[in-house]
Amino acid sequence: EAGVTQSPTHLIKTRGQQATLRCSPISGHTSVYWYQQALGLGLQFLLWYDEGEERNRGNFPPRFSGRQFPNYSSELNVNALELEDSALYLCASSRKLAGVRETQYFGPGTRLLVL
Amino acid sequence: AQTVTQSQPEMSVQEAETVTLSCTYDTSESDYYLFWYKQPPSRQMILVIRQEAYKQQNATENRFSVNFQKAAKSFSLKISDSQLGDAAMYFCAYNQGGGGADGLTFGKGTHLIIQP
Repeated sequence: EAGVTQSPTHLIKTRGQQATLRCSPISGHTSVYWYQQALGLGLQFLLWYDEGEERNRGNFPPRFSGRQFPNYSSELNVNALELEDSALYLCASSRKLAGVRETQYFGPGTRLLVL
Repeated sequence: AQTVTQSQPEMSVQEAETVTLSCTYDTSESDYYLFWYKQPPSRQMILVIRQEAYKQQNATENRFSVNFQKAAKSFSLKISDSQLGDAAMYFCAYNQGGGGADGLTFGKGTHLIIQP
């Protein structure tokens, strides 16, 4: 069974540009989560998508947004990039079984560098 | 809000020995899940072990086991017979139970070094 995949592996942008990161969940998983792992800030929850809808977001400004497609893959968009957005962005997916959200499994991440 | 604390930024152990990583958490919920994830230099986050709060029995996965003390809100990870491949950052994480409305809340991590 294929795991969570993310693309691209690395992304270099300049301040003010927009970045788009992509994630494909494990087959059968309907939820996608995005996390930011920035140096010195640890892992922080960004967004949760479930069955096409944004269900929850962490303490991040609106320029962090995304969407989930009918095939449950997801896209994270970061607008008006700032230097502090340089980080590893991790995507995770999970499924719901008997009404309970199960364990999150992670992809390899996209390393975003803002110059 | 839930918090997760890992008080050991770095731990070192000799190969084949046993090491215990500490984690404490704070929550007012009664239904939740706790996890240990491992992040090697490749940066891929790998699930090590999972514990449901309603289960009294400590979870075990081969050489990895936890000591879950619900009243003390403590969730430590014991690695037996440490191997070089165990070297990584280890993160303790909390997730609310039920529908899972929130993402995972992570601790700051413990860097585990394995001495050959």
